[in-house]
Order: sequence, then structure tokens, then C-alpha cells
Amino acid sequence: GAVVSQHPSWVICKSGTSVKIECRSLDFQATTMFWYRQFPKQSLMLMATSNEGSKATYEQGVEKDKFLINHASLTLSTLTVTSAHPEDSSFYICRAWGVGGAFFGQGTRLTVV
Amino acid sequence: GIQVEQSPPDLILQEGANSTLRCNFSDSVNNLQWFHQNPWGQLINLFYIPSGTKQNGRLSATTVATERYSLLYISSSQTTDSGVYFCAAAQKLVFGQGTRLTINP
Repeated sequence: GAVVSQHPSWVICKSGTSVKIECRSLDFQATTMFWYRQFPKQSLMLMATSNEGSKATYEQGVEKDKFLINHASLTLSTLTVTSAHPEDSSFYICRAWGVGGAFFGQGTRLTVV
Repeated sequence: GIQVEQSPPDLILQEGANSTLRCNFSDSVNNLQWFHQNPWGQLINLFYIPSGTKQNGRLSATTVATERYSLLYISSSQTTDSGVYFCAAAQKLVFGQGTRLTINP
């Protein structure tokens, strides 16, 4: 089956720094990328949707200037958490959608200290 | 937007028991999926089931689209079935709050 590789698996960063999370579709072209966030013991919430080569569409309540999404190619999308704060600590997971279906990455556990 | 509700929020059973998890959704959907999230956070796709019934081993799912609900059945539960089960609807996947299933030996 299709593979979506997400890195890093986990990251600890200091408050005020930025963190970049990569999501690569290894054997198919992802025309659409979905980014979700999951706080401890809660459900997954969609943050934004991006189509290759276009600006991302953010869900209500998600700060587009804080969570920068780039989807410049059909195999790579990145989520950058800028000026991270402890309340941004969460599990972030991408979902790549293309011909043949949609597949989740493994997720990134972000801890901001 | 579409609302997805799951019940029960928690379910504790003994090994070998059967379980039924429910998912209600507020609007017609052309995509309804069930996932199992393992302790590492990985989402395991169980079923894509916008309507009808499917079975995969000890697991089966039924969606009654006209009544806007879906059921996930787990028979002869094993301790490895423990975890959180989510249903999600629509292309962009609106998730329910999940059912935390604990199977005791």
C-alpha cells in the first residue's frame, strides 16, 4: 500500500522557537494534504487543507500565521509551527490524498518546554 | 458543518466478550471510516463504509446511511484490541470523540 512518511516522530523544542514537520508521500502523488492536531485524550481536529501549488485553507480558529503550511510539490508538504508555546504541545498528523486513496503519516508528537 | 458523535466514550470488557461501538453523524456523507489508534498514535484504517456491511475477521461494520449511523462490532475481544476507536466522516474527515476500549485478560 501507499506510504506516507512523516518526520520527525517526536520533537522537543524551547518556547519561542519554530519547528518544521515534513510529510512525504513515497509512492504516489498527493494532490491534497490534510493536517490534523490531537491534544492528549482528545479527538483529531482538522487544522488545514492544502492543494499542491495553492495556499492552504485553514479551519476556523487555526492561526494561519502561526501554522505555516507549504505544499510545493506532489510528494512533500510541511507544517511549521512558528514561535511555539507550551499550549502548542500536541500530536500533529498529516493525511495525503491522491489517486488511489488517502493515507495517514505516522504523526509527530511536539512538546514545547 | 457535519457533527460526528460516538458512544460509549469508554468501554471496559473481559477478554472474549463482544462489543458494539456506535457512530452518529448529522448529515449525509459519502465517506465514513472507522480507525483504531494504537498507543503510539498511529491510525489504523479498519473500514471504509459509507453504507452497507463489511467484515474483516473478528471485526465488522454496518452503516445505515438513511438513518445516519454506523456500528462497529468486535467479536471475541482480545487484549490487543484495546485502544481508541474513531469514526470519521466526509472527505476531510470530521472525527468523533472516540471510544476508549479496554479489554482485560
